[in-house]
Amino acid sequence: GAGVSQSPSNKVTEKGKDVELRCDPISGHTALYWYRQRLGQGLEFLIYFQGNSAPDKSGLPSDRFSAERTGESVSTLTIQRTQQEDSAVYLCASSSGPINSPLHFGNGTRLTVT
Amino acid sequence: KNQVEQSPQSLIILEGKNCTLQCNYTVSPFSNLRWYKQDTGRGPVSLTIMTFSENTKSNGRYTATLDADTKQSSLHITASQLSDSASYICVVSRNGSGNTGKLIFGQGTTLQVKP
Repeated sequence: GAGVSQSPSNKVTEKGKDVELRCDPISGHTALYWYRQRLGQGLEFLIYFQGNSAPDKSGLPSDRFSAERTGESVSTLTIQRTQQEDSAVYLCASSSGPINSPLHFGNGTRLTVT
Repeated sequence: KNQVEQSPQSLIILEGKNCTLQCNYTVSPFSNLRWYKQDTGRGPVSLTIMTFSENTKSNGRYTATLDADTKQSSLHITASQLSDSASYICVVSRNGSGNTGKLIFGQGTTLQVKP
């Protein structure tokens, strides 16, 4: 079946603009995660959804970042008033839920803020 | 502090050779340890997941080991191929509340396999 799909694959935006990044998880996966990966760096946790609720938002770096999930499916990560330090690859992952289940990652959205 | 440290940071080997990547962690309480492979420009792909009671797990030419006493893991790649060139990421999950949101990621080891 289809894997995790993210769109757009690349996004170039001007400093100060808002951007929306989309994630379509694997159908039936209840857990959904967003991560940020700066160039040459490891993955940085942003937010975790179980169903449509987000029990862990502790990784969101500022109030400019927000995310929602609807229908226990699609998730959108929104960055308001983008800054150059927001430039990174934003990765989404989903899993079937049990703690030992593997994460299935999308290929990410590469965001460049000019 | 919950941390995952990987070594070496980067590694170059010749095609056909074996190699071993290391992961040390201080995450507690421990739930499981995962190895992921990340090709350039792609998302990570799961290789293995090991719980406390497992000390070895294989996936084709990849074999992961876990020593929960010393909090060390290794990933051994046998008979390397050019397609093994990638970043290998060690990830440790904490046990407890059931909230799996916080997986602790290592910085990765970048492996380059040369012909």
